[in-house]
Amino acid sequence: DQQVKQNSPSLSVQEGRISILNCDYTNSMFDYFLWYKKYPAEGPTFLISISSIKDKNEDGRFTVFLNKSAKHLSLHIVPSQPGDSAVYFCAASANGSARQLTFGSGTQLTVLP
Amino acid sequence: DTAVSQTPKYLVTQMGNDKSIKCEQNLGHDTMYWYKQDSKKFLKIMFSYNNKELIINETVPNRFSPKSPDKAHLNLHINSLELGDSAVYFCASSFLQGGYGYTFGSGTRLTVV
Repeated sequence: DQQVKQNSPSLSVQEGRISILNCDYTNSMFDYFLWYKKYPAEGPTFLISISSIKDKNEDGRFTVFLNKSAKHLSLHIVPSQPGDSAVYFCAASANGSARQLTFGSGTQLTVLP
Repeated sequence: DTAVSQTPKYLVTQMGNDKSIKCEQNLGHDTMYWYKQDSKKFLKIMFSYNNKELIINETVPNRFSPKSPDKAHLNLHINSLELGDSAVYFCASSFLQGGYGYTFGSGTRLTVV
């Protein structure tokens, strides 16, 4: 039962362009969403998050958009840089879940110089 | 300074053996987690401890037993290892109240042969 889905296993983008990573969820109890970034042989690192009371959160080059009616969120990276090449995981949590995060399967982003 | 450290990083062992993975965090977090990244790359929660108390125990074979001697340590013991236990295991920590950003360890790649 995949409650968080990242349907694109990989994405290639030219340096300087926008990267858009997508995530869909099925559990309507989710009220907090996060993106994590993972380099090979390292653990995931927290990137950006958004509460369900918002539809947008921005942090530097990273912006997360949330469309609750569509149960969809996306991460925009502008401009993309080669150092952004990594696996990006979408994660979600439901209130009262003891901070349990449900993760998607990740999207490998490759930024081409 | 490593915030969340796991040992060993790699573990190769034969079926039927018993092994342990150790995890320590120096962030002062009150909650620690074990996640398993399976062959399909999903990160799935196994256990969570808050101040040494078990708060999340997902459907995991009872061959897996977590132990938390104090809130800075959460170890994972696995008995009678099976081929299907091969995966990457990640430890993480966070504050139960407040932000949802986990800090992950770099993972332990377990290979059962």
